[in-house]
Amino acid sequence: QVQLVESGGDLVKPGGSLRLSCAASGFTFSDYSMSWIRQAPGKGLEWVSYISSSGSTKHYADSVKGRFTISRDNAKNSLYLQMNSLRAEDTAVFYCARGQGRGNWFDPWGQGTLVTVSS
Amino acid sequence: AIRLTQSPSSVSASTGERVTITCRASQGISSYLAWYQQKPGKAPKLLIYAASTLQSGVPSRFSGSGSGTDFTLTISSLQSEDLATYYCQQYYSDLRTFGPGTKVDIK
Repeated sequence: QVQLVESGGDLVKPGGSLRLSCAASGFTFSDYSMSWIRQAPGKGLEWVSYISSSGSTKHYADSVKGRFTISRDNAKNSLYLQMNSLRAEDTAVFYCARGQGRGNWFDPWGQGTLVTVSS
Repeated sequence: AIRLTQSPSSVSASTGERVTITCRASQGISSYLAWYQQKPGKAPKLLIYAASTLQSGVPSRFSGSGSGTDFTLTISSLQSEDLATYYCQQYYSDLRTFGPGTKVDIK
C-alpha cells in the first residue's frame, strides 16, 4: 500500500540546522510531485514547500524561503527538507504528502515528525 | 498569497444532524479546493478535491460544493467518528494555503 514515513525530527537550538527525510513506498515515486506541510502545536496546517516529480520545479512558503531547501532522490524513493537558520516559530510536526492533480491536493500524508527549536 | 477563511471555527452537533462548514477564498480559485479531516493525534486525510469530488473510500455523507470564492463542506448525518478538525486547502496558486480549520464536536 502507499506509505510515507518521515524521519529526522529532533530538538535543535535556534539558528541550528536539521534535515528531514520522507521514505516513500507502494507507488512509483518518480511520477508524483511531493510537498512538506507543517503544524505547530495546537495550531492549523501550513504548507511549506513543493517539488515537482523530476525535481526541476520548487516552491516555498514566504515564511521559509531562503532558509529551507526541498530536494528528492527518485532512485532512493526519498524526499528531503534541509532546514537552516531555524527559529522557535519553526517548531512543528512536519508531514510529507504526495501531490495529486493539477496544482496539487495532498494524498496521502505521512505520520509526521516533530521538530522542536528551543535553547 | 490567497487567504482562506472558514466558518464556524467550531461547531457542536448531535449524531444524525446535518453539519455545514464554509470556506471563503480571498480571490477566485475556480474549483481548485480540497477538504481534509484531521482526527486528534492523526495526520490529515483527504475527503474531497476539485471542490466536489469525493475521494475514494470516503463515506457518502460527506459532500462538497462551490466555485470561485465560496465553498461548502456538508456532513449530511453526523456520526460519532466524525469528531475531527476540518481544513480547506486551495491549490489554484503555487503558494498553496490552508484555511484555519473548523473543529467538529459531538453533543
